[in-house]
Amino acid sequence: AQKVTQAQTEISVVEKEDVTLDCVYETRDTTYYLFWYKQPPSGELVFLIRRNSFDEQNEISGRYSWNFQKSTSSFNFTITASQVVDSAVYFCALTERSNAGNMLTFGGGTRLMVKP
Amino acid sequence: DADVTQTPRNRITKTGKRIMLECSQTKGHDRMYWYRQDPGLGLRLIYYSFDVKDINKGEISDGYSVSRQAQAKFSLSLESAIPNQTALYFCATSGTVRYNEQFFGPGTRLTVL
Repeated sequence: AQKVTQAQTEISVVEKEDVTLDCVYETRDTTYYLFWYKQPPSGELVFLIRRNSFDEQNEISGRYSWNFQKSTSSFNFTITASQVVDSAVYFCALTERSNAGNMLTFGGGTRLMVKP
Repeated sequence: DADVTQTPRNRITKTGKRIMLECSQTKGHDRMYWYRQDPGLGLRLIYYSFDVKDINKGEISDGYSVSRQAQAKFSLSLESAIPNQTALYFCATSGTVRYNEQFFGPGTRLTVL
């Protein structure tokens, strides 16, 4: 069974601060995929990143970076120099290769509020 | 134009009414999904379809049914809506290659009174 936990339900920071959103997952599969999605106030879901279980390299995309650590089953997301436009709900998700429907299991989400 | 569209975007209905939510996509993907989002619970899978003749139940299918009218269209029905089906509903698609990268529609906010 797959499970994703985002322990931080809400985080509030001041603009230009760095912030890390935590994601811890559980899976019995050796092959799996992890995702982050952003849901701005307008409600749509925006794909941010996909990572497979064999690729533990950290990734950086502009102000966004992701730290994947299999040893702790974590896939954390850091925003550097946060901006007001980063205010959104962020979801971490997991799917196992063995899952026939490639169902995405989502965490409960972390609401990030960036204040000017 | 958006690749995945959903209609209606908002709907208010009464308990016991039949409701249909529609999803269309222009991405040419075979795989389509319906999720619902509830506060604090993330998104949960209702139904999924890998092609027109293949429909499968997801995690929370009770009270819902679906129809895959064509490769590009996937509808979700609530036969007799109840208040705890009030939620935000998302349709998603994925291709055969990189099949687990799902693309979401804008969502339908449904309120059942």
